[in-house]
Amino acid sequence: GQNIDQPTEMTATEGAIVQINCTYQTSGFNGLFWYQQHAGEAPTFLSYNVLDGLEEKGRFSSFLSRSKGYSYLLLKELQMKDSASYLCAVRVGGGYNKLIFGAGTRLAVHP
Amino acid sequence: GAGVSQSPSNKVTEKGKDVELRCDPISGHTALYWYRQSLGQGLEFLIYFQGNSAPDKSGLPSDRFSAERTGGSVSTLTIQRTQQEDSAVYLCASSLRNREGYTFGSGTRLTVV
Repeated sequence: GQNIDQPTEMTATEGAIVQINCTYQTSGFNGLFWYQQHAGEAPTFLSYNVLDGLEEKGRFSSFLSRSKGYSYLLLKELQMKDSASYLCAVRVGGGYNKLIFGAGTRLAVHP
Repeated sequence: GAGVSQSPSNKVTEKGKDVELRCDPISGHTALYWYRQSLGQGLEFLIYFQGNSAPDKSGLPSDRFSAERTGGSVSTLTIQRTQQEDSAVYLCASSLRNREGYTFGSGTRLTVV
């Protein structure tokens, strides 16, 4: 079966750093994605990891450990506009681009 | 087009009626996906089209759901004899084969009353 777990909700303060964790158990693995979704809008691509380690992209970084089935998304210098849901997704299979999504983590940033 | 286009953006239908949802992917994207998202839930995979290969229909919840993709471009998701549990946002996405990340459309919010 496919199982992707994330915390349901998190809160953080403007200007702070927050880490959103994701653990997965899937029948295959060929990459992990993070998406951001504002309420009522479509998900937008944030980051992609296929090898172990940290990928940094501006205020956002994503980490992957394949042996532990674990990833996290790190958001620095939080802004109010970062209040959104963050979706972890695993690509299963080789050249097969099907993504399995977790339920998402709702992040609320307050002043 | 520049992005993934879905229509209608909102659809209210009576229980038992059939509905068709349309997705127009990004030009040149060979892969197209349908997901649905119920209130407060994650994205549930429905169906995946890749080029001329047979689609992966493993996520379709019942035989009331079907989808087709004509000419390798536009896709239509059809739900027959709609039920209240079909109420959700139906999201379409497209991607280049073997490229990272999907581009999602804005979705169709389906409400069955």
